[in-house]
This record gives sequence, structure tokens and C-alpha cells, in this order.
Amino acid sequence: DIQMTQSPSTLSASVGDRITITCRASQSISTWLAWYQQKPGKAPKLLIYKASSLESAVPSRFSGSGSGTEFTLTISSLQPDDFATYYCQQYNTFPWTFGQGSKVEIK
Amino acid sequence: QVQLQQWGAGLLKPSETLSLTCAVYGGSFSGHFWNWIRQSPGKGLEWIGDINHSGSTKYNPSLKSRVTISVDTSKNQFSLKVISVTAADTAVYYCARPRVPQGPAGYWGQGILVTVSS
Repeated sequence: DIQMTQSPSTLSASVGDRITITCRASQSISTWLAWYQQKPGKAPKLLIYKASSLESAVPSRFSGSGSGTEFTLTISSLQPDDFATYYCQQYNTFPWTFGQGSKVEIK
Repeated sequence: QVQLQQWGAGLLKPSETLSLTCAVYGGSFSGHFWNWIRQSPGKGLEWIGDINHSGSTKYNPSLKSRVTISVDTSKNQFSLKVISVTAADTAVYYCARPRVPQGPAGYWGQGILVTVSS
């Protein structure tokens, strides 16, 4: 299986901050990478697919980049609604695998 | 608008069979792969497997020996069975569908917490 490793596991930030979360794959996945946002008690919500394509209705402050084995999710100006846990997922090779999550907390 | 609604037993004893069903409302049932994904505190998000409208399946090798995914196209439903459950199968189970074929899961069910306890 392809292992997905996210960093940091927890990030403390303030409203308005620019934050970046990194996701590394154990082997190349081209750009077959997605990012999700999850809030407590809710299903994950797809934010970005194919590494950098923004899902419909997702605010433009979210962006993704990378290819191969290293990827980043950036939130350009953190908003109150963005405090959540973020997951990366590779869909290059079955079984699909997910990162362990990065929790964005209020500083 | 695609909506997925899931149901099934939430409390099982060890060695019992987990059984969940997901109904699909809106959109086309054919042309997509219908997924089951679970989330536990210990293992995070784990893809279980998928099925298409003609019944072709793929399973996570880690669970393949205990998992069956089936489809009922007459009802636009698909189902998950996991036999011989243990405490390690305690998780929130989600059904999900890519928004576009071959894509990541863009539509999710509400999730069901399944607890395995004696």
C-alpha cells in the first residue's frame, strides 16, 4: 500500500494567518491526490482533487500544489470556519490510502 | 443533487456480521463506483472497497477475506457486509461516491457509528 504522511499533526493558528500542510507519499502518485476537510461529527468534505483543482463552491483561499511524492495544501487567510482537520488521500493506486490528518486549532 | 443515505445496526458483539446499506438519491447510478470507507480513532480513514452498477468489486486486501460489497440496481442501493467482527472493526462507516468517474469521493453518506463490544 502507498503510505501517506502528513505534517504537522496539529497546527495552532490565528484568523487571517496563512497556513500550509504537507503530505508525502511513499511512492510517486503523479497528481492523483485529494484534500478533504472534516469537522467533528461530519463526513469529510472534498476540497481539492488532482492535487491542485478546486472543488466546486470551495473558497479560493484554499489551494493545492505538488506532484510525485510531495504535496501541499495552503489556506491563504484562515477564516473561523476553517478550523478543522484536513486529510490528504491518494487515488493513484488501490487501495486508496489517506494521511493521518492535520488538525488546525485556534491559537 | 446526489444524496447518500445509509443505515444498519450500530451495536454488534464480537464474531457477528456487520451489515450496512446505502441508498442513492439523484444522479445516475450507473457509470460510477460506489465506495465504503471507515474511520476509527486507531487507524484513521480506511478505504474498504467499491462496486459498480454491474457488480464488479475491488476490496482492500487488509479486509478482503471478511468483506462483501453488493449492489441492488433496482433500488439504487449498495451494501456492505463484514463477517466475524472484532473490537478493531469499531468505526464510523461511510458510503461515498466520486463526483466524477475515477475521482476521489465527492459525495458522502452521513456515517454510521458501529461499535463492537461484548
